[in-house]
Amino acid sequence: GAGVSQSPRYKVAKRGQDVALRCDPISGHVSLFWYQQALGQGPEFLTYFQNEAQLDKSGLPSDRFFAERPEGSVSTLKIQRTQQEDSAVYLCASSLYGGVMNTEAFFGQGTRLTVV
Amino acid sequence: GESVGLHLPTLSVQEGDNSIINCAYSNSASDYFIWYKQESGKGPQFIIDIRSNMDKRQGQRVTVLLNKTVKHLSLQIAATQPGDSAVYFCAEKYKMKTSYDKVIFGPGTSLSVIP
Repeated sequence: GAGVSQSPRYKVAKRGQDVALRCDPISGHVSLFWYQQALGQGPEFLTYFQNEAQLDKSGLPSDRFFAERPEGSVSTLKIQRTQQEDSAVYLCASSLYGGVMNTEAFFGQGTRLTVV
Repeated sequence: GESVGLHLPTLSVQEGDNSIINCAYSNSASDYFIWYKQESGKGPQFIIDIRSNMDKRQGQRVTVLLNKTVKHLSLQIAATQPGDSAVYFCAEKYKMKTSYDKVIFGPGTSLSVIP
């Protein structure tokens, strides 16, 4: 596709429910990032993939959060046993190269997760 | 417990005036600095970036200034238009040991353009 696509756009989950958020990066992009953006705040880094390898997961807030990119393209962010504090917009970004400083990252529109 | 959202700093500017948005960064090892624009319901959009060995870079109607001595970054928008109304984030980029570039966002500023 022309840009980074995320689905669903909106997700309402009951507390304790598991959710899966999908990211379709720009075709051929090596790098893929997940960010969490709480209301009124800047995006906070969650995890980074270079192709299928998850090189950094230091930003995942707990072991309830899990991300994968098994074939080096589509990525899924899974949150188990959702809590109210997980309510946020989850942003995915991709860039063509990994480790090249001046490579622009393109963001998707995000998935707004509301835990009730 | 109940979470309280932070209130973004807000800058209100008359249409046609110049806007200046400021940002302080924390990591002296950052190699690149980027300004993003985020409109309501959308993801951040790249505006302009600057390498750490530069102090000024100009784009179309935008200029970024970098002062490494005081770790300060600014974005200047000339002849501000209603379409410039959005939240603006500065971000710093540095290389991790695993040879990828980590992008860390700063707090945003909400720009409101008065027609």
